[in-house]
Amino acid sequence: GESVGLHLPTLSVQEGDNSIINCAYSNSASDYFIWYKQESGKGPQFIIDIRSNMDKRQGQRVTVLLNKTVKHLSLQIAATQPGDSAVYFCAENKVADKLIFGTGTRLQVFP
Amino acid sequence: EPEVTQTPSHQVTQMGQEVILRCVPISNHLYFYWYRQILGQKVEFLVSFYNNEISEKSEIFDDQFSVERPDGSNFTLKIRSTKLEDSAMYFCASSERQGWGNTEAFFGQGTRLTVV
Repeated sequence: GESVGLHLPTLSVQEGDNSIINCAYSNSASDYFIWYKQESGKGPQFIIDIRSNMDKRQGQRVTVLLNKTVKHLSLQIAATQPGDSAVYFCAENKVADKLIFGTGTRLQVFP
Repeated sequence: EPEVTQTPSHQVTQMGQEVILRCVPISNHLYFYWYRQILGQKVEFLVSFYNNEISEKSEIFDDQFSVERPDGSNFTLKIRSTKLEDSAMYFCASSERQGWGNTEAFFGQGTRLTVV
């Protein structure tokens, strides 16, 4: 079956360190992936996206890597800050309109 | 910055009652969506809406659910006879163009529905 899942439910990092959040997907037909950040009591907030014809995309302090060979997606956050503490979801799109979300990874940043 | 607004932020209702969740999408957006998130679980797609009709819906979106754009600004989700398992956070989203790869979609803050 198709699924989008996350390897780790919780990731704890020290402030200033880099964070890497991983996501596995099983449907090779997916052609678009998004990372969302969700803070407590708020809706998902777009962070960065990547199309399947790309391997890497960089934003401000964030980088998304896509490895289609092993169906793996990662989000790298440089110099993690306390404000980065949230739940991070990967989501895939293979049909227009519908996003399939993963289960989420909670990122905890400690001083 | 434009935003999607949802009301109410929290709704408590008795099982069997009807509820209407309201959303005001971003003004120039044409595509509208409802998602839900049961506490501690992942965000799940419910329905997408364009040009005054449903373009896609999930298995969750059964006959108890309906959506409507009653005027030029509001987008509503109605649950006709609520069940305990409908308790969740419901998110509205909107986008300017179709296809998640073509445009960023914006999510509202959500309405927490509690069915007792």
